[in-house]
Amino acid sequence: EVQLVQSGAEVRKPGESLKISCKGSGYNFFTYWVGWVRQMPGKGLEWMGIVYPGDSDTRYSPSFQGQVTISADMSIGTAFLEWDSLKPSDTAIYYCARRAVGATNPFDYWGQGTLVTVSS
Amino acid sequence: QSVLTQPPSVSAAPGQKVTISCSGSSSNIANNYVSWYQQVPGTAPRLLIYDNNKRPSGIPDRFSGSKSGTSATLGITGLQTGDEADYYCGTWDSSVHAGVFGGGTKLTVL
Repeated sequence: EVQLVQSGAEVRKPGESLKISCKGSGYNFFTYWVGWVRQMPGKGLEWMGIVYPGDSDTRYSPSFQGQVTISADMSIGTAFLEWDSLKPSDTAIYYCARRAVGATNPFDYWGQGTLVTVSS
Repeated sequence: QSVLTQPPSVSAAPGQKVTISCSGSSSNIANNYVSWYQQVPGTAPRLLIYDNNKRPSGIPDRFSGSKSGTSATLGITGLQTGDEADYYCGTWDSSVHAGVFGGGTKLTVL
């Protein structure tokens, strides 16, 4: 069974750093892309970026380029989303999702989401 | 402001049919496959339709998708109260080399 299991909810202060994770199982982790999607409170889905664990190739939406870092560790079957300096506007639920090779393929399996709260 | 435009809300009675539109451009919908996702409040999104009109295993045939030019449509027949959710279209945008989603449509089954 394909599963993406995300790390738990986080509370941070503005300016702090954070790294959240997404562990894949039930499939060949290094042969599928893993993407990250933001959902701000009461808002819609936003495509942030995607990483191919096989060679760490990473693509970002222009809106998120330079704002976050997406990475993956193939040896532990885990993808990461990282911030150097959080802002209150980063408060959101972040989902990871799996995508087959090919830009137009969909996100077919999703993690349960990680709630990130940034508040002083 | 989302790259793909969806109506904020639609509604219909149980047993009826509803359609949800998704409007884009030549850099996204016109030249790439469209997917549709269902998100029940408080849960993660779920893939409903991919490659414009294909259903993943386990998705009932009450859900259908189509595409024409720069627009795509999700259809749901035989509406059930369990279909109440937010629905999102998504595709690849070749001009920004990134995926994009619509703003989402809230379905109410009256």
